[in-house]
Amino acid sequence: KNEVEQSPQNLTAQEGEFITINCSYSVGISALHWLQQHPGGGIVSLFMLSSGKKKHGRLIATINIQEKHSSLHITASHPRDSAVYICAVTPTMEYGNKLVFGAGTILRVKS
Amino acid sequence: NAGVTQTPKFQVLKTGQSMTLQCAQDMNHEYMSWYRQDPGMGLRLIHYSVGAGITDQGEVPNGYNVSRSTTEDFPLRLLSAAPSQTSVYFCASSRATGRNYGYTFGSGTRLTVV
Repeated sequence: KNEVEQSPQNLTAQEGEFITINCSYSVGISALHWLQQHPGGGIVSLFMLSSGKKKHGRLIATINIQEKHSSLHITASHPRDSAVYICAVTPTMEYGNKLVFGAGTILRVKS
Repeated sequence: NAGVTQTPKFQVLKTGQSMTLQCAQDMNHEYMSWYRQDPGMGLRLIHYSVGAGITDQGEVPNGYNVSRSTTEDFPLRLLSAAPSQTSVYFCASSRATGRNYGYTFGSGTRLTVV
């Protein structure tokens, strides 16, 4: 079993829809990261969370440490949101600030 | 602009050739790391460094060497390229180790070994 599981693997939405991507993890963590990767592009860090909720524009990330679960929400989705969204965690016992990655969620937003 | 710079962006190698992927950051970050990204496998850690002169192996280190002679640079060397090393490679840095600092990623190097 992977230490970080994301769902869904693939998601297609219509422009304007509210989107949720989920991330569950099985290890104790000091932080959880949401990353975005556009097709053929680099990786951009969207959020780093250790508790609660963060918001940036139309993106909202939440984390429940007790349930070992995080969600990334996109409000009023747009075709430019089409990308791979990757959840990654920093386990508490790991040395060196190493990240453990989920497999990613491929999001396609149609106009 | 401050950030992580990777070169080259694209490279084709023949089996057995060697090459170095360059990674440089100008943010005075202590922690630097190399990942490879393969379809269906996600990102996997190759090597990492917690400071100048200190490196260690990650999940998939075989066939790769690294060194960290300065804080800014963390090159990844392929000793004898194999088709299994065809992948997209990302370098990333973070301000410090063992703390909750965010990561900055490079734009990636797409490597094909024929």
